[in-house]
Amino acid sequence: GQNIDQPTEMTATEGAIVQINCTYQTSGFNGLFWYQQHAGEAPTFLSYNVLDGLEEKGRFSSFLSRSKGYSYLLLKELQMKDSASYLCAVSRDDKIIFGKGTRLHILP
Amino acid sequence: DGGITQSPKYLFRKEGQNVTLSCEQNLNHDAMYWYRQDPGQGLRLIYYSQIVNDFQKGDIAEGYSVSREKKESFPLTVTSAQKNPTAFYLCASSGLGAIIGGNTIYFGEGSWLTVV
Repeated sequence: GQNIDQPTEMTATEGAIVQINCTYQTSGFNGLFWYQQHAGEAPTFLSYNVLDGLEEKGRFSSFLSRSKGYSYLLLKELQMKDSASYLCAVSRDDKIIFGKGTRLHILP
Repeated sequence: DGGITQSPKYLFRKEGQNVTLSCEQNLNHDAMYWYRQDPGQGLRLIYYSQIVNDFQKGDIAEGYSVSREKKESFPLTVTSAQKNPTAFYLCASSGLGAIIGGNTIYFGEGSWLTVV
């Protein structure tokens, strides 16, 4: 995915907090999306960051550092339904490129 | 309701056949995309289009073709040249603001293609 890197899998416990990291090449960068995807379904939009800093939206927050080519998605008060893949996507030049996604497993 | 419609949901192809996946949107979006997803993998960009009668190759365009004769429609043809076409195919659309300003991209429900 043109050097968009995120961990392949992560495991966390129900009720806990988990942080999913994403690094990317900064050339031509416009902004960064996070999507959630349940198996066999289309991705659903979670967040978009274009400026540095933290954007909070309920239990989910997303952070961006443009100079470092780094973002993270923070999920709080984890619920079993949060078990899914989380996709980092970069808007670059004239297209949107996705990373390989992080499969998050939630344990009861 | 506005949205993106992909069809068919499930498609079986014999080796050597071409098949076409349909994608229609009524969101008045300028940009449309086709992604391929293999099991347990992320989305890889096949083709994208920002304007009618124009489109560009993505990362894995070989063995695929597209057309953009109407703003609403962006069909994908999987040709016999694509040697491993079994995958989940996702069509998406966005305003051009998604590229520079952050409007989200919207996905269809996807099409499962299996070679038999």
